[in-house]
Amino acid sequence: DTGVSQDPRHKITKRGQNVTFRCDPISEHNRLYWYRQTLGQGPEFLTYFQNEAQLEKSRLLSDRFSAERPKGSFSTLEIQRTEQGDSAMYLCASSLVWLQGQETQYFGPGTRLLVL
Amino acid sequence: KNEVEQSPQNLTAQEGEFITINCSYSVGISALHWLQQHPGGGIVSLFMLSSGKKKHGRLIATINIQEKHSSLHITASHPRDSAVYICAVSRDSNYQLIWGAGTKLIIKP
Repeated sequence: DTGVSQDPRHKITKRGQNVTFRCDPISEHNRLYWYRQTLGQGPEFLTYFQNEAQLEKSRLLSDRFSAERPKGSFSTLEIQRTEQGDSAMYLCASSLVWLQGQETQYFGPGTRLLVL
Repeated sequence: KNEVEQSPQNLTAQEGEFITINCSYSVGISALHWLQQHPGGGIVSLFMLSSGKKKHGRLIATINIQEKHSSLHITASHPRDSAVYICAVSRDSNYQLIWGAGTKLIIKP
């Protein structure tokens, strides 16, 4: 247990439905990342927050994806009008950035999404 | 060509063997990370390196900045070391991690 929690751990939904995932980072961590991992591949970066500000979004993140981190604590990732290609493991990580280029990301257990 | 390449993709060894997993990268980096992912998705950060060598228990990680290459070694391997080992780099310009595809390690008793 790294101290980063994600909810739910598993989600099965029908194509076209909206889903929302939550990530609770380690409490003093100022950075929060979302990644997506498909079977047999390494995780792909989606977006990250510095406190409550969303600083970067990957081109992988289509308009159907939105992420928020109100108050700089927990974060939510919403996928609207899900497609079968959205089926993946969604990983959240948090870190405390205090020195240029030096950080360790702590990963949550992930939310496994299956879109039928 | 991927910016981070790992080899081998799959590795099966007997308990007690010395294990080496390699990682090469083609971009400028501020740090290189080795992570371990167990079945079910949990990822644990093992090492973060910007130069030289680090050791933790039976795990050793080295990096050669000039050659843009890193290795992860496991001494006296054990079945509980079975996992996917991922190399990832932080680029000079930002903190995003660029991930390798991972090496699936199976240690047989």
